[in-house]
Amino acid sequence: QSALTQPRSVSGSPGHSVTISCTGTSSDVGGYNFVSWYQHHPGKAPKLMIYDVSKRPSGVPDRFSCSKSGNTASLTISGLQAEDEADYYCCSYAGSYTWVFGGGTKLTVL
Amino acid sequence: QLQLQESGPGLVKPSETLSLTCTVSGGSISSSNYYWGWIRQPPGKGLEWIGTIYYSGTTYYNPSLKSRVTISVDTSKNQFSLRLSSVTAADTAVHYCARVIPTYHDGSGSYFDYWGQGTLVTVSS
Repeated sequence: QSALTQPRSVSGSPGHSVTISCTGTSSDVGGYNFVSWYQHHPGKAPKLMIYDVSKRPSGVPDRFSCSKSGNTASLTISGLQAEDEADYYCCSYAGSYTWVFGGGTKLTVL
Repeated sequence: QLQLQESGPGLVKPSETLSLTCTVSGGSISSSNYYWGWIRQPPGKGLEWIGTIYYSGTTYYNPSLKSRVTISVDTSKNQFSLRLSSVTAADTAVHYCARVIPTYHDGSGSYFDYWGQGTLVTVSS
């Protein structure tokens, strides 16, 4: 069970869009539609942003969207705002009642 | 509003056992609708799922930690706990507890919807 692969960092200007990829295998991301994404401001509790690949909890802006193709899930943040600057983690169910996270991506809003 | 709060020693000696408790407020740990989990983050690294528990005591563990991990629940105190034995410096991490929303009743699928703020446990002599 290896960690999902995410880019270490991404950046974008306010108002623009960025996409964060999350690559796994057919045993996790590719095998199940149970990918979730978390926003983490250091020192605070991580926040659920997306679950079941593309569903948003209430209160999460529709600027956050997610899709999946094969073994890769992608989180897109449109209309970037300064408050979006944070670390983002993907997570996938990996079968046999196990879960695996990604290594995290630091989003910088320029 | 559901709140989770981790507590326990911030410093553990190598070879000893790390013990943390998560206190849940604003909701019942005995609800049949949820599971409860532990996740950790070593310094400078990503998140790692440690394990998940149901109020009945059903547990699921990360295979890489399974031989050293025990997660238990105390419904009378609305708490669940983590014990990790034979710790080394590699177990130094911020530890988070979280509520788990199961996709299926057996806990498969699932995602973590509420998290505690985390507590740093350092393994050092």
